[in-house]
Amino acid sequence: QKEVEQDPGPLSVPEGAIVSLNCTYSNSAFQYFMWYRQYSRKGPELLMYTYSSGNKEDGRFTAQVDKSSKYISLFIRDSQPSDSATYLCAIRAGGYQKVTFGTGTKLQVIP
Amino acid sequence: DTAVSQTPKYLVTQMGNDKSIKCEQNLGHDTMYWYKQDSKKFLKIMFSYNNKELIINETVPNRFSPKSPDKAHLNLHINSLELGDSAVYFCASSQEPPSYEQYFGPGTRLTVT
Repeated sequence: QKEVEQDPGPLSVPEGAIVSLNCTYSNSAFQYFMWYRQYSRKGPELLMYTYSSGNKEDGRFTAQVDKSSKYISLFIRDSQPSDSATYLCAIRAGGYQKVTFGTGTKLQVIP
Repeated sequence: DTAVSQTPKYLVTQMGNDKSIKCEQNLGHDTMYWYKQDSKKFLKIMFSYNNKELIINETVPNRFSPKSPDKAHLNLHINSLELGDSAVYFCASSQEPPSYEQYFGPGTRLTVT
């Protein structure tokens, strides 16, 4: 079983839609949960992070973590064409442990 | 001012050659990383250095050798290149772990023919 599984997509939505991106993970030792956004031919950039169960909101973006189900989500409200990118979930345990990335979900927001 | 820079941006070479990719960060971070992203966008860590010391070494062929001359630089040398090495290689840096935020470079697109 992979450490992190991510819905592969691709996902195509109309502008203004609510987008839900999801990942599951297998190791309960993971403590930090991140979402990175990667535009085409660019490096990933950190979008959101959290280290506890519950919701964290930042503008149109909400990160949700359910540690009991080992499930993380990213919601994008009022999606914009500029949100078109690949979204990577990422998780890590503490200390010097590596970050493990999901396989990414490619999102296209159509004007 | 670029935070994490890599050179070259594109690299096309033949099987069997040896090549190097250079990475520099001006963020004052202590930890640097090399990642490989394959054609399916899967991003996998290869190496991590903290203050010039190797702390993560994933299962990578020993044809790949990282070198960190100082904490602002992390280079990747690849010997005897193979077709399967074709990918985008990203350098990243972060503060001392347990930092969650890694800053990525623009990537080096390596094509082996």
